[in-house]
Amino acid sequence: DAEITQSPRHKITETGRQVTLACHQTWNHNNMFWYRQDLGHGLRLIHYSYGVQDTNKGEVSDGYSVSRSNTEDLPLTLESAASSQTSVYFCASSGISYNEQFFGPGTRLTVL
Amino acid sequence: AQSVTQLDSQVPVFEEAPVELRCNYSSSVSVYLFWYVQYPNQGLQLLLKYLSGSTLVESINGFEAEFNKSQTSFHLRKPSVHISDTAEYFCAVRSTDKLIFGTGTRLQVFP
Repeated sequence: DAEITQSPRHKITETGRQVTLACHQTWNHNNMFWYRQDLGHGLRLIHYSYGVQDTNKGEVSDGYSVSRSNTEDLPLTLESAASSQTSVYFCASSGISYNEQFFGPGTRLTVL
Repeated sequence: AQSVTQLDSQVPVFEEAPVELRCNYSSSVSVYLFWYVQYPNQGLQLLLKYLSGSTLVESINGFEAEFNKSQTSFHLRKPSVHISDTAEYFCAVRSTDKLIFGTGTRLQVFP
């Protein structure tokens, strides 16, 4: 069965370190998204991609970057982790209709 | 810009009681509306969606939502909840090629 996976599931890091969160999907979807989930804010879009070599900034992109070298993967990088980036991060993908996004299980990131 | 408002951050209810989770949207164009559910320690899953046609849409586990254009609402209802319905529920609206999510409503079902 097709799926979307994220790794690691839990990560603790220190302020200032670079962190990369992995997202891999086997749906063969062109569209991929990264969200962060925080209490009182729901899900906020960080970055998204419509295909290989395409990336776009979302609502809360400062301090984050993504790259898309193939259809299956969209890694999210925190260039210099900050305590404000402690959150749960979700990756999602969708097909051409944009009418349903499939979510990964999430990565809980703690920045100390 | 399109937006979604979920007025209730938490809804406690006893098992077998009815429940309504409220969602209001703002949009001046055609809307596509969604409810997603997030069970503890999991990602979000699509519960139901309104794209066009009948204003009443249903899910496979007994939830339903009604698109009300005059009130700009898309409330989620279930006539009798189960313990297993305990989860966080997110309303979302499609904005061109992206989804805009509400802040979520935590449904807590008590025995």
